[in-house]
Amino acid sequence: SYVLTQPPSVSVAPGKTARITCGGNSIGRKSVHWYQQKPGQAPVLVVFFDSDRPSGIPERFSGSNSGNTATLTISTVEAGDEADYFCQVWDSTSDLPVFGGGTKLTVL
Amino acid sequence: QVQLQESGPGLVKPSGTLSLTCAVSGGSISNSNWWSWVRQAPGKGLEWIGEISHSGTTIFNPSLKSRVTISIDKSKNQFSLKVNFLTAADTSVYYCAGRKDVGYYYDYWGQGILVTVSS
Repeated sequence: SYVLTQPPSVSVAPGKTARITCGGNSIGRKSVHWYQQKPGQAPVLVVFFDSDRPSGIPERFSGSNSGNTATLTISTVEAGDEADYFCQVWDSTSDLPVFGGGTKLTVL
Repeated sequence: QVQLQESGPGLVKPSGTLSLTCAVSGGSISNSNWWSWVRQAPGKGLEWIGEISHSGTTIFNPSLKSRVTISIDKSKNQFSLKVNFLTAADTSVYYCAGRKDVGYYYDYWGQGILVTVSS
């Protein structure tokens, strides 16, 4: 089955840029979606189809995808961005969704 | 805006059956959407359980398929999850979620319900 690999944690100072990666075999050929989950809350979609944002998501959130790595970029990080972030793709081989293990973003 | 709300018991016994319902509001469950269940064990990541289409087609996580049933009730605008032969490893927050037919991403989520498997 298809495997997505995320770093367990990323730390960033307020006002700086955070980059959270999601690795997978030829992931650049797939569409990647990203979710933010704050403690005790449900996941929220923040990026879909690699780089699109749902309405209401700040422009500070952006995404890219190429080769074997997709990246969620959060610019001008705020304390309120501290959360777990999960990537997700649809595996065309199994025709099933796959989630990454998640990355905890800490704002220093 | 579509909203989802899970309901069901928060405590179930080992070897028993978990039964949860997800009420859909703000839209018809018969729209071209897929209705899904995702769970999250304490301190762990998201695990997709399975989903059902507006027409009743189901797909499941192979690791859970033998123990899971998902059904849809269009008259009540809700869908349901049953997991049987429960063990402590099934203790999780269970989320219902939804995606559009061609979206392949989950833009609707319920608030989640903690289900503990314990005697």
